[in-house]
Amino acid sequence: GDSVTQMEGPVTLSEEAFLTINCTYTATGYPSLFWYVQYPGEGLQLLLKATKADDKGSNKGFEATYRKETTSFHLEKGSVQVSDSAVYFCALLNQAGTALIFGKGTTLSVSS
Amino acid sequence: DTAVSQTPKYLVTQMGNDKSIKCEQNLGHDTMYWYKQDSKKFLKIMFSYNNKELIINETVPNRFSPKSPDKAHLNLHINSLELGDSAVYFCASSQVRAGGQETQYFGPGTRLLVL
Repeated sequence: GDSVTQMEGPVTLSEEAFLTINCTYTATGYPSLFWYVQYPGEGLQLLLKATKADDKGSNKGFEATYRKETTSFHLEKGSVQVSDSAVYFCALLNQAGTALIFGKGTTLSVSS
Repeated sequence: DTAVSQTPKYLVTQMGNDKSIKCEQNLGHDTMYWYKQDSKKFLKIMFSYNNKELIINETVPNRFSPKSPDKAHLNLHINSLELGDSAVYFCASSQVRAGGQETQYFGPGTRLLVL
């Protein structure tokens, strides 16, 4: 079945460091891909998405490119801030379009 | 205005009780969902529902039942609560488009603790 694999956390960085959170997927066809962010004590917010191969999603300085060759959707940011500390979830929309399949989440902690 | 809202935000209850969590969306979406987030923050779909179809994740116990009084609401009713039901429950909604489902928007979550 469909699945999403994310790098294990926690990821601990200093402010202004470069961030990469790896995400790979297994699915039938070419599903839409998403990154959601969950700040402490809050719900899930859509960070960015890509709906077809080679699309690049971007928002708030974060970027991810849909790579069908490597079935990957890695999240990157050039310079993280303390306010980026959160849990990041990679997800795909299943083929039926009825559910998001999530990775296990990666906790990011940024210190000043 | 809140797009997807849930009540209550926190729910503490005893084993064996029956409880409901309410969800409302004001986005005009036609599909709503319930997800469960466990203590390790793993998120898993429980139900998806639109006017035509209820899709149930086969791993969900039949003590859980979604109830939709209208298109903007999808409530989650839980019978005979168990300790293992303690989790954060998220409601979400989306809209069907020609190319498929649009982005899902999530509510703030309901933190359920069963004692």
